[in-house]
Amino acid sequence: QSALTQPASVSGSPGQSITISCTGSSSDVGSYDLVSWYQQYPGKAPKLMIFEVSKRPSGVSNRFSGSKSGNTASLTISGLQAEDEADYYCCSYVRSTTLVFGGGTKLTVL
Amino acid sequence: QVQLQESGPGLVEPSQTLSLTCTVSGGSISSGAYYWSWIRQHPGKGLEWIGYIHYSGTTYYNPSLKSRITISVDTSKNQFSLKLSSVTAADTAVFYCARALAYDSSGYWKYYFDYWGQGTLVTVSS
Repeated sequence: QSALTQPASVSGSPGQSITISCTGSSSDVGSYDLVSWYQQYPGKAPKLMIFEVSKRPSGVSNRFSGSKSGNTASLTISGLQAEDEADYYCCSYVRSTTLVFGGGTKLTVL
Repeated sequence: QVQLQESGPGLVEPSQTLSLTCTVSGGSISSGAYYWSWIRQHPGKGLEWIGYIHYSGTTYYNPSLKSRITISVDTSKNQFSLKLSSVTAADTAVFYCARALAYDSSGYWKYYFDYWGQGTLVTVSS
């Protein structure tokens, strides 16, 4: 199974909105509403930000939202803050109870 | 609060077998809805799902690593383990253990990682 495709980097200014895409195929993202997103600071473990495409765990800011269209899932961060600067990874259920991650996107807050 | 902690050698010689254990506290590994997972991250790179195990012993592996992986569970110790054989320098990575929620009480699929260990760096070198 191939890694999901994410842009290597995105950037935005404080207060702006940014969107990170996660492109898969009809075998993964396109077939299952089982996409999750993780935030990772350097040297730290990833943290769950979005599950099942668009659901937020308790405690995650409502500035984070998720969506999906066809084979592409997206993570949108609105009202960008300095603390949002991190790496972001998508993950999708593939088939036969396996999972695949995206390559990761480095978010820079200008 | 569930906590996971990886343990094992930080240095493994090439061609040997990498062995790591994840100890789960604050919850039972024998809960049916969860798959206990291993994920790795090569230095400066992205996350790679290695595989996971249900407390019943059922395993699911990344097809690209399947021939070299064994994941096992010890419910009496609330631990699960990873063995990766025939390692090379390309296997140098931070290894994370994590809990994946597979389905909810109604049986609906979930498949996301809700708790992670802090990660442990394993270097393959002679």
